[in-house]
Amino acid sequence: EAGVTQSPTHLIKTRGQQATLRCSPISGHTSVYWYQQALGLGLQFLLWYDEGEERNRGNFPPRFSGRQFPNYSSELNVNALELEDSALYLCASSLALSRANEQFFGPGTRLTVL
Amino acid sequence: EDKVVQSPLSLVVHEGDTVTLNCSYEVTNFRSLLWYKQEKKAPTFLFMLTSSGIEKKSGRLSSILDKKELFSILNITATQTGDSAVYLCAVRGGTSYGKLTFGQGTILTVHP
Repeated sequence: EAGVTQSPTHLIKTRGQQATLRCSPISGHTSVYWYQQALGLGLQFLLWYDEGEERNRGNFPPRFSGRQFPNYSSELNVNALELEDSALYLCASSLALSRANEQFFGPGTRLTVL
Repeated sequence: EDKVVQSPLSLVVHEGDTVTLNCSYEVTNFRSLLWYKQEKKAPTFLFMLTSSGIEKKSGRLSSILDKKELFSILNITATQTGDSAVYLCAVRGGTSYGKLTFGQGTILTVHP
């Protein structure tokens, strides 16, 4: 069974630009989650999508946004990039939210903002 | 707000040693606690503990959950160099709507 996939592996942008990161969940999973892992910090929750809808977002500014497509894949957009946005962005997927959901992670996209 | 604290932050052992990693948490309406192993990029799922499953074991790894004292431990016996990684603990509460709250992780280094 294929795991969660993410693209690109690496992304280099300059301050002020926009970045688009993509994620394909495990087959059969309808929920997709985005996390940011900045150097020296733990994983910080960004966004949760389920059945095409944004269900929850973490404490990040509105320039972090995304969407989920009908095939359950997802896109994370970061507008007006700032230096501190440099981080590993991890996507995870799970079955529809139940009492206790196991989230499975992809390999991440390393975003570097110069 | 949900909170997870892991200890120690780093640990250096030799092959064959047994290690215990700690995770304490504060969460509203506890749902589950998860352990992950992160070697380079993708955290790999290890265990999920819930109210109905407070002890899990897989090979040399085992974990228990103490809901009364609000902590969990991850034990690794007969450690190998391949166990070197960052071990992450995360919790999900009833009001967190899908969000996992992670601890800062424990960096485990196993020397030959």
